[in-house]
Amino acid sequence: DTGVSQDPRHKITKRGQNVTFRCDPISEHNRLYWYRQTLGQGPEFLTYFQNEAQLEKSRLLSDRFSAERPKGSFSTLEIQRTEQGDSAMYLCASSDRGYERTTEAFFGQGTRLTVV
Amino acid sequence: QKEVEQDPGPLSVPEGAIVSLNCTYSNSAFQYFMWYRQYSRKGPELLMYTYSSGNKEDGRFTAQVDKSSKYISLFIRDSQPSDSATYLCAMATSGTYKYIFGTGTRLKVLA
Repeated sequence: DTGVSQDPRHKITKRGQNVTFRCDPISEHNRLYWYRQTLGQGPEFLTYFQNEAQLEKSRLLSDRFSAERPKGSFSTLEIQRTEQGDSAMYLCASSDRGYERTTEAFFGQGTRLTVV
Repeated sequence: QKEVEQDPGPLSVPEGAIVSLNCTYSNSAFQYFMWYRQYSRKGPELLMYTYSSGNKEDGRFTAQVDKSSKYISLFIRDSQPSDSATYLCAMATSGTYKYIFGTGTRLKVLA
């Protein structure tokens, strides 16, 4: 495995339904990030894990959103009671630990969510 | 005012031209500067990663950082139609894990 893998690539759901996305980071990368990108905008930070610990959540991450990384490997992002405003590309990225250095983050192909 | 400003374009150039893409920023604490390329409906691909000021070259790509002016640039030499994509700049402060992205510049290289 040479890159960050995300599943599914596309998801269409009805408003009010719950959805879950999965991210498999690059092997041995202990940092994992979720970003959201809407059309014409750059990615916006949602949350960050170091190993299994979720160390920061953005204010963009409302209480309908939850992310987990139970064993410090793959991660899931769940959106409950989806709204049309949740329609976006959800991007996962990973990086290795830099010992106080900000390291390069590598992104997956994203999951495109459409809420109808 | 956004922390990172980037002209959305589109920028159209003929094949073989030198392309200059730029970002300005307001946070003087930014120390790490990245450029990503993103094709339509794909994830961002890391092109360049630089720390502090100065230049970095990788093949046809050159990244420049001018911290005194809070201005970064990406130059693409001998541009190709396959370079047509959106180019995102991203920045981070020292020891942080959160990137702040620009809105991206759409580039079209015409054959």
